[in-house]
Parts: sequence; C-alpha cells; structure tokens
Amino acid sequence: DQQVKQNSPSLSVQEGRISILNCDYTNSMFDYFLWYKKYPAEGPTFLISISSIKDKNEDGRFTVFLNKSAKHLSLHIVPSQPGDSAVYFCAAPFISGTYKYIFGTGTRLKVLA
Amino acid sequence: DAEITQSPRHKITETGRQVTLACHQTWNHNNMFWYRQDLGHGLRLIHYSYGVQDTNKGEVSDGYSVSRSNTEDLPLTLESAASSQTSVYFCANPGTYYGYTFGSGTRLTVV
Repeated sequence: DQQVKQNSPSLSVQEGRISILNCDYTNSMFDYFLWYKKYPAEGPTFLISISSIKDKNEDGRFTVFLNKSAKHLSLHIVPSQPGDSAVYFCAAPFISGTYKYIFGTGTRLKVLA
Repeated sequence: DAEITQSPRHKITETGRQVTLACHQTWNHNNMFWYRQDLGHGLRLIHYSYGVQDTNKGEVSDGYSVSRSNTEDLPLTLESAASSQTSVYFCANPGTYYGYTFGSGTRLTVV
C-alpha cells in the first residue's frame, strides 16, 4: 500500500511561471511532511517541511500547502527557474520518533528557459 | 564539516557475486539508514541502525544485510547480487526538523 503518492511522474513549466507539485497521503496519523529535491548523480536534499498543525509554510520561492481533510499537500515554486529542474520527493515519518520515512515516487520537474 | 560519504560511486558486478557498499559518517550520529531509489518506486528503506550492534530490516531487506561495529560505518552487503538489485543506493543520517541528510549515492549495476 503506497501511503504517500505522487501521481504525476513529470511536469514541464516555462521559466518564470508557477510550478505546482502534488502529493497525496492515506494515513491520517502523519503529522509532518517534507519535500526533497534531487539533482542527477546527487543525493536528495531537504527543501521544505510542514507540520500538520499548519496549512502553509513558505521559504522564499517555495511554499508548501497542506489540506488535511483531503490528505493532500502541494509544493508551489514561484517563479520557476531552470535551476529548479530536478526530481522532487514528498515524504512523511512512517512512525513518529523512529526516523523512518515513507517517500513518494517522485515528480521530475523540467523548467524550460 | 561533518559529512556522510558513500563508496564506490559506481559499481558493476556479476549476478551471484557478493557486493559491499560503504557508508561512512562523521556526524557521530547513532542512526543510519540505507535506501534504494528506483524509477516508479521512489526511495525505499532497506535496513537501518539505531546504534552499534543494532540492525533492523526495512521494507525491501531481502537479499541485503548490514552490520554496525562502530558509530561511523554502516556497510550494506548484497549476499548474492541479482539483476533486480540494480539500483541507486543512498545512505542517510536522520536529523529532526529536516528529515535526512543523504550521501551522494552508489549506482550499482548487476549484469
């Protein structure tokens, strides 16, 4: 059972426009979510997170929105830049305090110059 | 600066051979994790350790083993490599607020 789902394997966006990456989850006990960014031949790096007590967290051009009733979160990148082209993973702690995370399958974002 | 390093970066091996992937961290962190990344599957947990002499199985542990004899290292061993184990492998240290710090990965090809 895939508890964290990213249903769009890829997304292409024009430079300067908004990129919206989506993630759905099934376990209502998840209380924290993270987004990672991964460039080719590198390890994933932490991008932004959100606690379930919030519905929005913003860091510069990156904003994550959480809709708990829909079990849905989204990552908005505004404005998109070519350097944002990467694979983005959403993740949630499998069990709080265990450091075990469940990752989505990833969305490959391509920002066109 | 503290870091987590993996070696080798690339490895080609034959079916049936034993292969060991290295992971070394200088964080002095008790917790270390191994994931594999595959297209369509994202990152999946193989094994993890909460400290010296502690090892635990993750969701895709069949065919893999780990040992933890010191704080710094958690080598991942493929007992008898199979083509299904062709993947990119990542070692990670968990933090708190930011989840994991990952190594740069090892791309393993089993032919």
